[in-house]
Amino acid sequence: KQEVTQIPAALSVPEGENLVLNCSFTDSAIYNLQWFRQDPGKGLTSLLLIQSSQREQTSGRLNASLDKSSGRSTLYIAASQPGDSATYLCAAGGAAGNKLTFGGGTRVLVKP
Amino acid sequence: DAGITQSPRYKITETGRQVTLMCHQTWSHSYMFWYRQDLGHGLRLIYYSAAADITDKGEVPDGYVVSRSKTENFPLTLESATRSQTSVYFCASSLPGNSPLHFGNGTRLTVT
Repeated sequence: KQEVTQIPAALSVPEGENLVLNCSFTDSAIYNLQWFRQDPGKGLTSLLLIQSSQREQTSGRLNASLDKSSGRSTLYIAASQPGDSATYLCAAGGAAGNKLTFGGGTRVLVKP
Repeated sequence: DAGITQSPRYKITETGRQVTLMCHQTWSHSYMFWYRQDLGHGLRLIYYSAAADITDKGEVPDGYVVSRSKTENFPLTLESATRSQTSVYFCASSLPGNSPLHFGNGTRLTVT
């Protein structure tokens, strides 16, 4: 059974600092790895999807890497802003990629 | 507007009552999902559907029933609500394969 872990559960950084968010998974036979953002009282918003054959994916200030052999993915957010404050969740896609197993999330606070 | 809509946003019901949570998407995505989100347990898959009239159990299906007679709708029914079913419920949809999940804004259900 796939298990996904995100450590730390929360972190606080000053504005402008780069954010590094970690995600680990136990079963390397994933179809993809997805990162989401969740604001309080809202649903999840898809940020990046890394296919199992890819090593990284980029969108603007966001970059996500994937190392299947070590069971790790990392989300980098460059030059953080207060608007980046949210909870970030990673999820491992299983067979056919459509069923996701979620980590518990990392709650991020970017201080002005 | 195109998207995925959940209703109601908030619901309070009594133990033993039947309650149905609605989910409607306008993208014609073939896959639809129901997750529940609880502190300490994160997001857990209840049921999913690969197409109209095709549904399957997720990680925590007991006490729930789903149907999918039309591609765009995927209602979730709690046949006899229990306090342990107090949670935030999220509906999501996606295309097949390496496609990101799109989430609704959730339904906060309280069972008294």
